[in-house]
Amino acid sequence: DAKTTQPNSMESNEEEPVHLPCNHSTISGTDYIHWYRQLPSQGPEYVIHGLTSNVNNRMASLAIAEDRKSSTLILHRATLRDAAVYYCILRDATSGTYKYIFGTGTRLKVLA
Amino acid sequence: GAVVSQHPSRVICKSGTSVKIECRSLDFQATTMFWYRQFPKKSLMLMATSNEGSKATYEQGVEKDKFLINHASLTLSTLTVTSAHPEDSSFYICSARGPRGRTEAFFGQGTRLTVV
Repeated sequence: DAKTTQPNSMESNEEEPVHLPCNHSTISGTDYIHWYRQLPSQGPEYVIHGLTSNVNNRMASLAIAEDRKSSTLILHRATLRDAAVYYCILRDATSGTYKYIFGTGTRLKVLA
Repeated sequence: GAVVSQHPSRVICKSGTSVKIECRSLDFQATTMFWYRQFPKKSLMLMATSNEGSKATYEQGVEKDKFLINHASLTLSTLTVTSAHPEDSSFYICSARGPRGRTEAFFGQGTRLTVV
């Protein structure tokens, strides 16, 4: 499974945008980039995913580098409820597996 | 739609006893489910893949006799921690592939097991 690397922690002020980076230099052409977040004492929650193009949904935006070796999750206006651990995960679309290998993730702290 | 529910959310058991954790897909069928465990301040670690109607596939280093997995129906997988010891205390989380047309997996809310 291709590996991802993320900063251990980041801080943001409330109501400001947050850019969470993820490096995946060994990504293959068929790997989807998935982002999940985990609030304290809860299971991971799906945030967004993409393959090559940038993606937007009601929760966040995903910007994918042209060479696909990195991506950035963008929270447009951070709130206190966005404080969580954010995981960037690669999933091989051709294998059909949903066996996720979690990295260390980024712990986001939102300051009031 | 696409809800995965775990039960119980929290359990305390005595050393030497066994405890069963259920993982249900409430509004879709899940032929494959996954079990993870998570220690405090650590990431999720995949334990095993649960396949409906067949044996589970365990990750390297996970004792299959300690962590029994049964996937008897398309909506239910169970994880039984046998002869539990304090070192088995952890947060256990299951996930399932979403229904047709959904590319993401869905996770249960987790079960916190404390062995005393």
